[in-house]
Amino acid sequence: GENVEQHPSTLSVQEGDSAVIKCTYSDSASNYFPWYKQELGKRPQLIIDIRSNVGEKKDQRIAVTLNKTAKHFSLHITETQPEDSAVYFCAAAPGTYKYIFGTGTRLKVLA
Amino acid sequence: KAGVTQTPRYLIKTRGQQVTLSCSPISGHRSVSWYQQTPGQGLQFLFEYFSETQRNKGNFPGRFSGRQFSNSRSEMNVSTLELGDSALYLCASSLGGLANEQFFGPGTRLTVL
Repeated sequence: GENVEQHPSTLSVQEGDSAVIKCTYSDSASNYFPWYKQELGKRPQLIIDIRSNVGEKKDQRIAVTLNKTAKHFSLHITETQPEDSAVYFCAAAPGTYKYIFGTGTRLKVLA
Repeated sequence: KAGVTQTPRYLIKTRGQQVTLSCSPISGHRSVSWYQQTPGQGLQFLFEYFSETQRNKGNFPGRFSGRQFSNSRSEMNVSTLELGDSALYLCASSLGGLANEQFFGPGTRLTVL
């Protein structure tokens, strides 16, 4: 069935260090992979996305990599700041008008 | 452009009751998706509507239903509420293609006692 596994479930890093969150999807038809950030008590907001014809995408301190062969994609945050503390969700869209979300990673950036 | 809005923001119900939640998408967006968010489970897909038609649904019991109106506003209904239905219900709107950015509403926090 359709499934997205996300690891780790919690991640603590020192301010200025890098953070990496990894996701694996099951449906090989998936062709769109968004990442959402959800701050406490707020709605999820898209921070970056990647499509299946691209291997890597960067936006300032945030980057996403995609390995379609391994069905694996990752979020990389460099030079972390306290405001990066939030829950991050990965998702995969298998082209059936639904998005399959991972279970989330709680990132804590320690000052 | 106004964002996605959901009403009500908070609801408290008792077991056996039913509830209706509403979602108004961003102007011009014709797709509305609904998700259930619980701690540790992430966002579970409920269903998606486009131009008043349900195009996909998740693995939830028939007590969960939805509909979409001609102005793209959407409602979801949960009948015969159970304690396990307590969750944050989020809706998201998009233009409606197979891989478009979804914009989320603030959610409705449902508590079932």
